[in-house]
Amino acid sequence: EAGVAQSPRYKIIEKRQSVAFWCNPISGHATLYWYQQILGQGPKLLIQFQNNGVVDDSQLPKDRFSAERLKGVDSTLKIQPAKLEDSAVYLCASSLNVGVGNQPQHFGDGTRLSIL
Amino acid sequence: AQTVTQSQPEMSVQEAETVTLSCTYDTSENNYYLFWYKQPPSRQMILVIRQEAYKQQNATENRFSVNFQKAAKSFSLKISDSQLGDTAMYFCAFMKVDSWGKLQFGAGTQVVVTP
Repeated sequence: EAGVAQSPRYKIIEKRQSVAFWCNPISGHATLYWYQQILGQGPKLLIQFQNNGVVDDSQLPKDRFSAERLKGVDSTLKIQPAKLEDSAVYLCASSLNVGVGNQPQHFGDGTRLSIL
Repeated sequence: AQTVTQSQPEMSVQEAETVTLSCTYDTSENNYYLFWYKQPPSRQMILVIRQEAYKQQNATENRFSVNFQKAAKSFSLKISDSQLGDTAMYFCAFMKVDSWGKLQFGAGTQVVVTP
């Protein structure tokens, strides 16, 4: 089975510019997660989708971050405008069903974002 | 709110030896799940082992085993017969049963396996 696909793998932009990341979850997985992983820290959940609806976006900085999951499959995470503190790895994960603890989350390789 | 603490920033172990990583967590929940994830330099998070809080028996997956002490809120990972491919960051994670699958991660422990 194909894994979670993310692109791009690396992105370098200047502060105040905008950037977008793309994620294609494993086929059939209803739940999709976006995490932010700052260097030296564990991943922090930004937003979680169940199909195309948002389940949890409590830690998403909504003044600059947005995410969508049209048609309940692919997802895009956008930052506009970017700040220096947004430098991090952005991880996408998917799981078969939400809220079921024995359904593991499968992670992509992430996008490393560097803000100059 | 739950917190997950990993107090060892880095651990070094020789091939074929055993290393134990510590993890403590703070919660008022009775039912939850605990996980250990491995993140090699490729950045992909890989599930190593999973423990349900209602199970007293410690989980085991080949060379990986946990010591789950619910009363002490401790969840350590033991890697036996360490291999060079075990070199990675290891993250402990907590999930409430009714949290819609939300994982809360610790800061991680870097494991370096030397020849």
